[in-house]
Amino acid sequence: DTEVTQTPKHLVMGMTNKKSLKCEQHMGHRAMYWYKQKAKKPPELMFVYSYEKLSINESVPSRFSPECPNSSLLNLHLHALQPEDSALYLCASSQNRGRGDIQYFGAGTRLSVL
Amino acid sequence: DAKTTQPNSMESNEEEPVHLPCNHSTISGTDYIHWYRQLPSQGPEYVIHGLTSNVNNRMASLAIAEDRKSSTLILHRATLRDAAVYYCILKIQGAQKLVFGQGTRLTINP
Repeated sequence: DTEVTQTPKHLVMGMTNKKSLKCEQHMGHRAMYWYKQKAKKPPELMFVYSYEKLSINESVPSRFSPECPNSSLLNLHLHALQPEDSALYLCASSQNRGRGDIQYFGAGTRLSVL
Repeated sequence: DAKTTQPNSMESNEEEPVHLPCNHSTISGTDYIHWYRQLPSQGPEYVIHGLTSNVNNRMASLAIAEDRKSSTLILHRATLRDAAVYYCILKIQGAQKLVFGQGTRLTINP
């Protein structure tokens, strides 16, 4: 099973709402990632969790708050977002094995901020 | 972040081979070359990776130049399902992250 599951698939929220994106994998991977992808652009890394600890934060605004409750789950909590935060949010996981490491991606959550 | 250069777009015909080039002239001796692709409305998908020698798997082949300053992803017999954006990425030593460039948008004609 090489599946990374993201929920919900689509999300519409207002600028004052609080919502969460969820990501789950059961491949025993110890690294998990959040990427943001705007339309017609490549994915951009936001956060990396390694062994359930935050190892990389690419200077993401605090209105995005990641959480890794256990090695299989990754959440992204959203609060007071702006319309320009509308994008496809991708989750990925990997074994965390260095340069030969392979990342497995979910299908993403398409977020619209009104 | 190590940089790669790819053509913005390429077009090929179904059942013909496709050669997708990537230049990475600043590659260091320990960087791995990874290829991912992203089909419409999906997340990126791993295709293949290599260090120095040519590599084959069920999806594609990776040909790496002797000086490692360029590489070519080869799809041996393209199908309509291979239409996607293909990303060539250098994975540097000690780095967990993938840095995606603009990629090549591959169109396959029936």
